[in-house]
Amino acid sequence: DAGITQSPRHKVTETGTPVTLRCHQTENHRYMYWYRQDPGHGLRLIHYSYGVKDTDKGEVSDGYSVSRSKTEDFLLTLESATSSQTSVYFCATGQGEGTQYFGPGTRLTVL
Amino acid sequence: QQPVQSPQAVILREGEDAVINCSSSKALYSVHWYRQKHGEAPVFLMILLKGGEQKGHEKISASFNEKKQQSSLYLTASQLSYSGTYFCGTETGGKLTFGQGTILTVHP
Repeated sequence: DAGITQSPRHKVTETGTPVTLRCHQTENHRYMYWYRQDPGHGLRLIHYSYGVKDTDKGEVSDGYSVSRSKTEDFLLTLESATSSQTSVYFCATGQGEGTQYFGPGTRLTVL
Repeated sequence: QQPVQSPQAVILREGEDAVINCSSSKALYSVHWYRQKHGEAPVFLMILLKGGEQKGHEKISASFNEKKQQSSLYLTASQLSYSGTYFCGTETGGKLTFGQGTILTVHP
């Protein structure tokens, strides 16, 4: 168990509001990832980080931004939430070319 | 590009075997397999590296065919605990691209 927590675990918000999800790890892993999971699409990468302040886009990055000011924390921000961003969000960590360890997930509903 | 998994769903009785396939249109260097139980996070099963090496986990094994750009996951003598959604992921530069998943249901 890689010691990954996500907060909040559940959130309901309204269209147009900003939302920030937090991922915290205690394993000192260099890489951190944000995925969204939707029925029929599997897990899709939103953004990832390969070090403090080093981030890059994934395949579904539009409408999302990330920040990583410390090794242990990776924040995902929905700048203006839309209903299409209703999803389950998973954070994962790893050392790069190897196992990824997933957090418990955050269920986000945008009304 | 997302790898393609087949079949989309499998229903088994305890003790039966199953094969899940993962195909990519891009050259593969490694393939990862994960299992996710309902309402939980995905959990790592194994990595297959370039070279066709076969790995095992419990009674679950996998193969990797670079030339065909595909990997197969073999579940032998399935148990109730094998139920879940299985994802393959293809790795490039530290990033994984996951398939859409295969739902495996094992009945008593």
